[in-house]
Amino acid sequence: KAGVTQTPRYLIKTRGQQVTLSCSPISGHRSVSWYQQTPGQGLQFLFEYFSETQRNKGNFPGRFSGRQFSNSRSEMNVSTLELGDSALYLCASSPRQGTQTQYFGPGTRLLVL
Amino acid sequence: GQQLNQSPQSMFIQEGEDVSMNCTSSSIFNTWLWYKQDPGEGPVLLIALYKAGELTSNGRLTAQFGTTRKDSFLNISASIPSDVGIYFCAGHRDAGGTSYGKLTFGQGTILTVHP
Repeated sequence: KAGVTQTPRYLIKTRGQQVTLSCSPISGHRSVSWYQQTPGQGLQFLFEYFSETQRNKGNFPGRFSGRQFSNSRSEMNVSTLELGDSALYLCASSPRQGTQTQYFGPGTRLLVL
Repeated sequence: GQQLNQSPQSMFIQEGEDVSMNCTSSSIFNTWLWYKQDPGEGPVLLIALYKAGELTSNGRLTAQFGTTRKDSFLNISASIPSDVGIYFCAGHRDAGGTSYGKLTFGQGTILTVHP
């Protein structure tokens, strides 16, 4: 089975712009979680989607949003980018509701200038 | 946000030595996971633990779910150079809606193995 894929792998944006990141979960996985990883804060939970519904959201401003499609693929969007949004954004998929064994993709490295 | 307390922060060892690291929390967790992350890549799942007291092995790796549900341990035996990387513990609390899909991570243990 192919693993979790994320596109793009690298991205450079300037302050004020917006960005959309994509995640394709492992085939058959319906739960997708997103995390932000920075040297200072470590891995922080952004949100989780299951069956196209956001079920949980971490402590991030409203500039961070996401969605999930009927094929379980997910996107996250960050609007009005700030320098502090520079991070590795990780997507993880889980096979079914109630199981928390998550499998991560390679991440998207976002640099905001 | 909440973090797990993972120690040590870094380890420098000789090839062939055994390694131990642990994770503690003030809260109870229902699932403990251990991941390894290489530079520029996403975390790779090593071991998943689902029951208090559970001891699980994956090759040279052994992990345990603490009996209090507030800690977990990872041991690596006979380390080799490819064990180099950052090891993370992660926990999941079963707390209804606010816990869906949310893992809480430790700050990581940086492992360096000298040949």
